[in-house]
Amino acid sequence: AQKITQTQPGMFVQEKEAVTLDCTYDTSDQSYGLFWYKQPSSGEMIFLIYQGSYDEQNATEGRYSLNFQKARKSANLVISASQLGDSAMYFCAMREAPTGANNLFFGTGTRLTVIP
Amino acid sequence: DVKVTQSSRYLVKRTGEKVFLECVQDMDHENMFWYRQDPGLGLRLIYFSYDVKMKEKGDIPEGYSVSREKKERFSLILESASTNQTSMYLCASSLGQGVYPFSGANVLTFGAGSRLTVL
Repeated sequence: AQKITQTQPGMFVQEKEAVTLDCTYDTSDQSYGLFWYKQPSSGEMIFLIYQGSYDEQNATEGRYSLNFQKARKSANLVISASQLGDSAMYFCAMREAPTGANNLFFGTGTRLTVIP
Repeated sequence: DVKVTQSSRYLVKRTGEKVFLECVQDMDHENMFWYRQDPGLGLRLIYFSYDVKMKEKGDIPEGYSVSREKKERFSLILESASTNQTSMYLCASSLGQGVYPFSGANVLTFGAGSRLTVL
């Protein structure tokens, strides 16, 4: 089974609107972390936000928030007030415990296009 | 800010050639990683290193080797390049393994990527 599932290969959003990028995960661990990365056309992956499995509050970083629904095993990224510079690939990732490099799993990504 | 620098953004090589992809980080990170990125497959771990001269295989190590002689430098080597190794290669580093609660120690910092084409 896939550890991380991103079901939206591509998404479009109007500039200044909010958009939600879906991510579901599969783990039997109680301790884990969820991460979102952005990859612009330049190629460099940029860390956006993370959420720990025991964190009760949803993580927020500026215009990014993570809608964490533990029972549903979902960790959706919400981008508010989209900007043209938000056009990029977005990857959801999960690190299971015990922490180890082989315990970091990436989804296949969602390409977001912001329309002026 | 941590910087991870990959020496080549674009490379074109011929089948059978030996290929070196170099990666350097400048913030004394313990861990370094090589990923391969292909459309529809996400990122797949090739090798990682948690210390100088230490390495472990990732999910797809076949056809690759690595070298970490200095803490800041992690090289990916394709001993005999093949067309199915045409891909984007991403190097990353992280401060340390970290323990829960997950912290900055677990966040990966990536380089800009090296796009390799094998003809």
